[in-house]
Amino acid sequence: KQEVTQIPAALSVPEGENLVLNCSFTDSAIYNLQWFRQDPGKGLTSLLLIQSSQREQTSGRLNASLDKSSGRSTLYIAASQPGDSATYLCAAPDSWGKLQFGAGTQVVVTP
Amino acid sequence: DAGITQSPRHKVTETGTPVTLRCHQTENHRYMYWYRQDPGHGLRLIHYSYGVKDTDKGEVSDGYSVSRSKTEDFLLTLESATSSQTSVYFCAISESIGGGGAAFFGQGTRLTVV
Repeated sequence: KQEVTQIPAALSVPEGENLVLNCSFTDSAIYNLQWFRQDPGKGLTSLLLIQSSQREQTSGRLNASLDKSSGRSTLYIAASQPGDSATYLCAAPDSWGKLQFGAGTQVVVTP
Repeated sequence: DAGITQSPRHKVTETGTPVTLRCHQTENHRYMYWYRQDPGHGLRLIHYSYGVKDTDKGEVSDGYSVSRSKTEDFLLTLESATSSQTSVYFCAISESIGGGGAAFFGQGTRLTVV
């Protein structure tokens, strides 16, 4: 069974600093890896999906990398803003699309 | 945003009563999922569906049942609600599996069992 880990559990950075969020997984035979954002009391918003065949995926200030050999994905958020404060979750699906989630990293960006 | 609507958004119910949560999608996606989110446990899969009338259990299915009579609707039923089922419930959809498609989530239903 795929296990997904996110460290650290919480992160606080000053505005303007780049954010680096880590996600580790145990099974390198991964189909894809998806990053989500969750604001307090809200649902999950899909940020990026990286297919197994890709090394990187970019959307605006967000860039996600995938290294299957080391079992790691990293989400980079450039020039962080207070509006980036949220919990970030990564998840990997099995063959039925059932997602195994990490516990999330709670990010606070201070003005 | 993917067209996923969960109802109700909030519900308070008494122990022992049946409760049904609804997930409605307008994307015509084949795969639908119910997760619950709890502090200290994260998101865990309850049940999922891979087509009309085709469902299967997830990691935490005890005390829950599901039905899918139409592509667009996936119902989650708590047969006899218990306090341990107090949680936030999320529905998700996916167009394809095996690496093909992204998953999209509804806004959640906050259920309190008193």
